[in-house]
Amino acid sequence: DTEVTQTPKHLVMGMTNKKSLKCEQHMGHRAMYWYKQKAKKPPELMFVYSYEKLSINESVPSRFSPECPNSSLLNLHLHALQPEDSALYLCASSQIRGASPDGYTFGSGTRLTVV
Amino acid sequence: AQKITQTQPGMFVQEKEAVTLDCTYDTSDPSYGLFWYKQPSSGEMIFLIYQGSYDQQNATEGRYSLNFQKARKSANLVISASQLGDSAMYFCAMIYNQGGKLIFGQGTELSVKP
Repeated sequence: DTEVTQTPKHLVMGMTNKKSLKCEQHMGHRAMYWYKQKAKKPPELMFVYSYEKLSINESVPSRFSPECPNSSLLNLHLHALQPEDSALYLCASSQIRGASPDGYTFGSGTRLTVV
Repeated sequence: AQKITQTQPGMFVQEKEAVTLDCTYDTSDPSYGLFWYKQPSSGEMIFLIYQGSYDQQNATEGRYSLNFQKARKSANLVISASQLGDSAMYFCAMIYNQGGKLIFGQGTELSVKP
């Protein structure tokens, strides 16, 4: 199994809703990432988990709350989002050692629309 | 600071022709890796090719090759024999240090004409 699985693929939520995005990998990677991507723009890093611990938070608003329950699973909890938070949310995983041909593996993303 | 630059926002190529997508980078770290990703309209980020900073030979993967010129800090992607399915957004990216951030260029939107 060499893929990163993200669910759901599409999500529409109201500004008062609470929802969660899920990401799962079974490649033995010990680093997992959340990226946010607007149309025609490059992905922007949000959070990095290394060995299930949050190592980087790129000054993301608190309405986004990440969670890493175990080495295979990464969640992104959403609460009180704004319409400008509508985007493609990508999960990725990698080996801790960084520069490697094993590289990053991305999931297929969740398209989030906030109404 | 580390930076990736893609200067071609959009490109057109005729089917079956070769095309080069430009990428330059800036880093003072001697150990880094360079990636090219393809992103079709479906959104998935598809890994194409990787070049490590210490690799002596240019990377190749099927129709994709990476023209790595370390002194000029460039890592251009060459796609040979373009196909209609190659129409997509292409991102150059760099990783450095341990388990760190993947830094992306702004992307190039490639359109293949029949």
